[in-house]
Amino acid sequence: GQQLNQSPQSMFIQEGEDVSMNCTSSSIFNTWLWYKQDPGEGPVLLIALYKAGELTSNGRLTAQFGITRKDSFLNISASIPSDVGIYFCAGQNNFGNEKLTFGTGTRLTIIP
Amino acid sequence: ETGVTQSPTHLIKTRGQQVTLRCSSQSGHNTVSWYQQALGQGPQFIFQYYREEENGRGNFPPRFSGLQFPNYSSELNVNALELDDSALYLCASSSTGGYGYTFGSGTRLTVV
Repeated sequence: GQQLNQSPQSMFIQEGEDVSMNCTSSSIFNTWLWYKQDPGEGPVLLIALYKAGELTSNGRLTAQFGITRKDSFLNISASIPSDVGIYFCAGQNNFGNEKLTFGTGTRLTIIP
Repeated sequence: ETGVTQSPTHLIKTRGQQVTLRCSSQSGHNTVSWYQQALGQGPQFIFQYYREEENGRGNFPPRFSGLQFPNYSSELNVNALELDDSALYLCASSSTGGYGYTFGSGTRLTVV
């Protein structure tokens, strides 16, 4: 099945640093979502984006819905240890019950 | 409110066997979706159930089947297990017109 391309695949950063990751698709989506998955858990929704060009924040997290509707970006400012995990983007044709098409994931590790 | 619960948490099966995974949806949610997450990959949509009927299916063979019960809980059945079926199986519930999905912690299936 289709998977969206996320980059980078993994990141090793120090606590306090800012983080940027992105996600691209060959097809258009009307909704973009960002999830975080901790080991042994299911994905948890961080941010949802509904409109091309939209910039949305949730605390230290900021995400943007690309103007072409084929990409999205997630930034984390001033990283803390609990930010460790795998971040997934997901595209959806319409928000709500439609299926999610997930990205390949970005693994974030914080170096002590 | 209770979240999405899945059982069992871990399972080991032999190639060729059949398996049933169970999911209780979050209170107030009437739609259940199942995803397969292979190691190091993003979740892949298997199918969705709404009003006890399949309501959308991903690129999975017919040996993957499901059920939804009147209380909105759901089962995922996989027949003739193959080694490549080894994965984390995630259940997600949602409500029509609601705010996206809530994922369970998953069932880790190992086929040997």
